[in-house]
Amino acid sequence: QKEVEQDPGPLSVPEGAIVSLNCTYSNSAFQYFMWYRQYSRKGPELLMYTYSSGNKEDGRFTAQVDKSSKYISLFIRDSQPSDSATYLCAMNKAAGNKLTFGGGTRVLVKP
Amino acid sequence: KAGVTQTPRYLIKTRGQQVTLSCSPISGHRSVSWYQQTPGQGLQFLFEYFSETQRNKGNFPGRFSGRQFSNSRSEMNVSTLELGDSALYLCASSNRTGADTQYFGPGTRLTVL
Repeated sequence: QKEVEQDPGPLSVPEGAIVSLNCTYSNSAFQYFMWYRQYSRKGPELLMYTYSSGNKEDGRFTAQVDKSSKYISLFIRDSQPSDSATYLCAMNKAAGNKLTFGGGTRVLVKP
Repeated sequence: KAGVTQTPRYLIKTRGQQVTLSCSPISGHRSVSWYQQTPGQGLQFLFEYFSETQRNKGNFPGRFSGRQFSNSRSEMNVSTLELGDSALYLCASSNRTGADTQYFGPGTRLTVL
């Protein structure tokens, strides 16, 4: 079983809808949680970074962390066709830079 | 501020050859991490260098090696290439303090024939 699980999708939504993404993890040592967006043939782009349980909002993006359930989420409001990409969750422990990634969810926002 | 740069962007090699990939981190960042991305395994951590020292290592064979120079630029080498080494190799840099967030380069796409 992988340390970080993420539904591969694809997740298809109409323009303007809310996109809901999530990851579950098994290692309680993970402390820092990130969401990356990756367009085809590009490197991952950091979207959100959170530490500890709770919510963090940045523009149309909201990240949630529930450490008790080992569950993280990303919500994208007012989705646009340009949001069509693969979204990767990533996390690491308090020390070191080794990120452990989920497999990524492909999102399609249809005009 | 310029982002992470990787060269070359594309490479085609044959089995048994070796390859060297290069990464220049964001100015001021002293940590460089390398990842391999494949459709089957996703993104997997290879190793991290900080101040010219390898600080972390993933579960890859010894054919995969790296180094970091005093200007924080890093190189990754793969010897005796196998077909399964075909992947997107990504480099990420961070300042390794506080938030410890990592910023990725565009990657080098390696094809092994």
